[in-house]
Amino acid sequence: NAGVMQNPRHLVRRRGQEARLRCSPMKGHSHVYWYRQLPEEGLKFMVYLQKENIIDESGMPKERFSAEFPKEGPSILRIQQVVRGDSAAYFCASSPQDRHGYTFGSGTRLTVV
Amino acid sequence: DAKTTQPTSMDCAEGRAANLPCNHSTISGNEYVYWYRQIHSQGPQYIIHGLKNNETNEMASLIITEDRKSSTLILPHATLRDTAVYYCIVRVGGTGGFKTIFGAGTRLFVKA
Repeated sequence: NAGVMQNPRHLVRRRGQEARLRCSPMKGHSHVYWYRQLPEEGLKFMVYLQKENIIDESGMPKERFSAEFPKEGPSILRIQQVVRGDSAAYFCASSPQDRHGYTFGSGTRLTVV
Repeated sequence: DAKTTQPTSMDCAEGRAANLPCNHSTISGNEYVYWYRQIHSQGPQYIIHGLKNNETNEMASLIITEDRKSSTLILPHATLRDTAVYYCIVRVGGTGGFKTIFGAGTRLFVKA
């Protein structure tokens, strides 16, 4: 029973490049959440998705950031034209319809150079 | 969602019970209390949740006051591996999809 799988674990991008972060939720989990954690700071909610739908993107920056959870395949968090301030750990979590609590992945550490 | 207040940090001796308090005086009747923890650099881990009654699982116990304005997470026999940031969250709803907002949490140091 695999947990929430995030890849890559570490990602290095130059300023101006695109970053794609992938998250495969646990089997049977239909809700996916993305969080960002800057160095030495707390977890900030970014977006909540269900299959093919964005439910709440109130924490997502309006420019350069997008997220999707297609019918088939993992959820993708996409950051276009990355800047140094995007360097952070990005965590994905999933939950099923019938149970409390999230299961988090191990995160993707993005470094922008 | 209601706000919570937690101490910034706490110490606990290894083998002793760690009691982590949380105030949530503006909690609404349909809001649950959740606890998560984050061990350094890892993804957060769900610990326990409750609505009105005290709860216990293999990780911890959750004691909620009768007026629901505060709660305490109890780790009965803390180990060095319990050193982490502990987040108390109150949130509408139960099962299914609801976003969870994390605060600053309590940094628990378990000392040998």
